[in-house]
Amino acid sequence: EVLLVESGGGLIQPGGSLRLSCAASGFTVSSNFMNWVRQAPGKGLEWVSVIHSGGTTNYADSVKGRFTVSRDNSKNTLYLQMNSLRAEDTALYFCAGDSSNGWYRFDYWGQGTLVTVSS
Amino acid sequence: DIQMTQSPSSLSASVGDRVTITCRASQSIRNSVNWYQQKPGKAPKLLIYDASTLQGGVPSRFSGSGSGTDFTLSISSLQPEDFATYYCQQTYNSPIGFGQGTRLDI
Repeated sequence: EVLLVESGGGLIQPGGSLRLSCAASGFTVSSNFMNWVRQAPGKGLEWVSVIHSGGTTNYADSVKGRFTVSRDNSKNTLYLQMNSLRAEDTALYFCAGDSSNGWYRFDYWGQGTLVTVSS
Repeated sequence: DIQMTQSPSSLSASVGDRVTITCRASQSIRNSVNWYQQKPGKAPKLLIYDASTLQGGVPSRFSGSGSGTDFTLSISSLQPEDFATYYCQQTYNSPIGFGQGTRLDI
């Protein structure tokens, strides 16, 4: 059984930093494309970033230069380092696994971790 | 960036009804559309990929069609557990994007 468990969310002031984690079991983070998708309260889904199995990364324009996606293969864990946080970054952040190897077919999801950016 | 416009934004239906949700892309994207179902407080669930292929374990009352710019998700006979929000997703090029969602209510 595949399990993705996010953690690291919380209340942070504007301009602050936060690191989200997504611990995987039954699914190898390094062998698959792993994504972050967020959902602002009461809103729709927004793709945030991807890390390819080969290590290439890509980001939505809204977070480029502020967020960094990475992984620790030994811990089978995905990360999202978020810097210079803004109120508009407030959202539930999901990690999503793509077993189609790059076709952005998100067949595995975590339960999400909530990030609230507010003073 | 490719824009995905879903319609309707909300829909009321009854158990046993057939419903159709539409997604229109701002440019041709071949068959590069996935559909997801999301229930309140839960993560999205992949229903259909590549416009018309049913994900494993998804009931056959769900179907998808379309190519180019116009895509549809159909549910042939609504069940109580189908009342949720549905999103289309374009995977043709980066940045991949989602439609704004269709809320399906009883």
